[in-house]
Amino acid sequence: DAKTTQPPSMDCAEGRAANLPCNHSTISGNEYVYWYRQIHSQGPQYIIHGLKNNETNEMASLIITEDRKSSTLILPHATLRDTAVYYCIVRDGRAGNMLTFGGGTRLMVKP
Amino acid sequence: DTGVSQDPRHKITKRGQNVTFRCDPISEHNRLYWYRQTLGQGPEFLTYFQNEAQLEKSRLLSDRFSAERPKGSFSTLEIQRTEQGDSAMYLCASSLDRLENEKLFFGSGTQLSVL
Repeated sequence: DAKTTQPPSMDCAEGRAANLPCNHSTISGNEYVYWYRQIHSQGPQYIIHGLKNNETNEMASLIITEDRKSSTLILPHATLRDTAVYYCIVRDGRAGNMLTFGGGTRLMVKP
Repeated sequence: DTGVSQDPRHKITKRGQNVTFRCDPISEHNRLYWYRQTLGQGPEFLTYFQNEAQLEKSRLLSDRFSAERPKGSFSTLEIQRTEQGDSAMYLCASSLDRLENEKLFFGSGTQLSVL
């Protein structure tokens, strides 16, 4: 039973911002939103996570709506190397809880 | 800074044979996870270790599967009497034991093909 809904695929032009949406309408108060990505033939890679405030790091920005029912991962200047499957995961922040991956969004960055 | 290492990268075997995969986590990480991923799907959790203790196992982990982490460092995943349905990418991940917000670091996986 998936806790998140993501579009199966998206395209983005190289150099433009990639905005990847995620719906998590049943998120509970102690669940964080995590984003991982998986480039072909590699294991998933952590990108960013947040609880309720917007977050930014060297890889991306995470915008979470005020009601926390959806979020958007932003890659500000997408490159061809950002082509990957992006997974949005909600997870209880307490220790010992597993990451449960859904189907993710396949992002294709095009020249 | 070495990441999570998995060996072998690829394994081809015949149905009914046993196979064993190895995972070397990041050195100071005390948690180790095994996931399985089939084509077009997200990774599925199999089991995880806190140091040498196996704390949780998924229903996906049938009795043909066994995982060990004998000294709390590297781990092995063995599949006995392989079936064609076992063909998948087997991913290992490690993390530090934190109260909250642990980040998992994944290896590149072992691709198993059962003929």
